[in-house]
Amino acid sequence: NAGVTQTPKFQVLKTGQSMTLQCAQDMNHEYMSWYRQDPGMGLRLIHYSVGAGITDQGEVPNGYNVSRSTTEDFPLRLLSAAPSQTSVYFCASSSTGSGNTIYFGEGSWLTVV
Amino acid sequence: GQQVMQIPQYQHVQEGEDFTTYCNSSTTLSNIQWYKQRPGGHPVFLIQLVKSGEVKKQKRLTFQFGEAKKNSSLHITATQTTDVGTYFCAGLGSYNQGGKLIFGQGTELSVKP
Repeated sequence: NAGVTQTPKFQVLKTGQSMTLQCAQDMNHEYMSWYRQDPGMGLRLIHYSVGAGITDQGEVPNGYNVSRSTTEDFPLRLLSAAPSQTSVYFCASSSTGSGNTIYFGEGSWLTVV
Repeated sequence: GQQVMQIPQYQHVQEGEDFTTYCNSSTTLSNIQWYKQRPGGHPVFLIQLVKSGEVKKQKRLTFQFGEAKKNSSLHITATQTTDVGTYFCAGLGSYNQGGKLIFGQGTELSVKP
């Protein structure tokens, strides 16, 4: 099992550019989430989805869009990158069937210059 | 909204000493989970606590969930260098809010041999 796969692993963007972080899971989990991790701030929830076609905002949604057209995929779009979005991004999936244990991808290191 | 506070932010110990991190939620939780993140890695699930007053052990790690289901702790006995990393608690406000796990800021543990 691949689990949760994130791409790219590293990315440098210029301010104002847009990009999409890809996330895919092969565990048939209904829940998927995006977190960002910054020093001293822990993991903050950006957006989450409880199933295909359903998304909702987390703690820090501004500047990001998501969609969930399939159970497997949950891409995160940065609309107009800003230096404040420099962070490590983690995609995660979970299932009530697995007791809501969250499985994380390996992370995407994003730098906005 | 739901907030999860974790203390201390950093803890430096000598190998063999004990370590404890504490987690407090602003609201009652349906369950709490603990994760460990090694430097440069992604968070990995350790355990989930569901019942009021629950205590679980994993070798040298002891996890507790408070009677009011608003606080939790992780205690490591006789730390080893392999325990190095950041420990996160994460709370779920409602069992049917899968994917909306809110994380504490984490406690970074360093162990001096």
